Amino acid sequence: RKEVEQDPGPFNVPEGATVAFNCTYSNSASQSFFWYRQDCRKEPKLLMSVYSSGNEDGRFTAQLNRASQYISLLIRDSKLSDSATYLCVVNKSPNAGGTSYGKLTFGQGTILTVHP
Amino acid sequence: GAVVSQHPSRVICKSGTSVKIECRSLDFQATTMFWYRQFPKQSLMLMATSNEGSKATYEQGVEKDKFLINHASLTLSTLTVTSAHPEDSSFYICSASREARGAGETQYFGPGTRLLVL
Repeated sequence: RKEVEQDPGPFNVPEGATVAFNCTYSNSASQSFFWYRQDCRKEPKLLMSVYSSGNEDGRFTAQLNRASQYISLLIRDSKLSDSATYLCVVNKSPNAGGTSYGKLTFGQGTILTVHP
Repeated sequence: GAVVSQHPSRVICKSGTSVKIECRSLDFQATTMFWYRQFPKQSLMLMATSNEGSKATYEQGVEKDKFLINHASLTLSTLTVTSAHPEDSSFYICSASREARGAGETQYFGPGTRLLVL
């Protein structure tokens, strides 16, 4: 089982649509969670961190359910510029030697295309 | 602030040659730098973590003698792909963090280096 699994996608939605991405992680000791977006042939860029209480940033809402080890991202009123690959990212908790602290594990990504 | 650059952005080389990729933190001191690799239609995979002044920690399955990492200063880490082969063709991305081992600190990603080995 992959450490971080996402909806396979791709998602193809019209402008103005609401779209939701799901993600599950296998390591229950994971401590930090993020959504990144990656445009074609570019580096990933942090979209938002994800907190247990849920958090919102404009049209984007992220949710975390630690009990289910589930993360979600909701995009409302989709724009053409939202077209990208969305990466679910988990930061592992430190192991005994502390070597995994700060180690990001990326999901395979979900491709979103917003069309006119 | 928190800008990370990589050089070169793209490189094409012949099989058997070595390629050096530089990662620089331009406006902050990066105690920890990370090197990732991304094959087409796949996600980023961490290759190694390097802390300034110490040996890099490699992920399982990554050959340390093939992917040489040097983090000699707080603003520069280099990745050298030795004796590159076509299967090493990939998108190499570095990230930098201010904290030791990247503990709890956001990682800032460089723009990536696209390597094509013929």
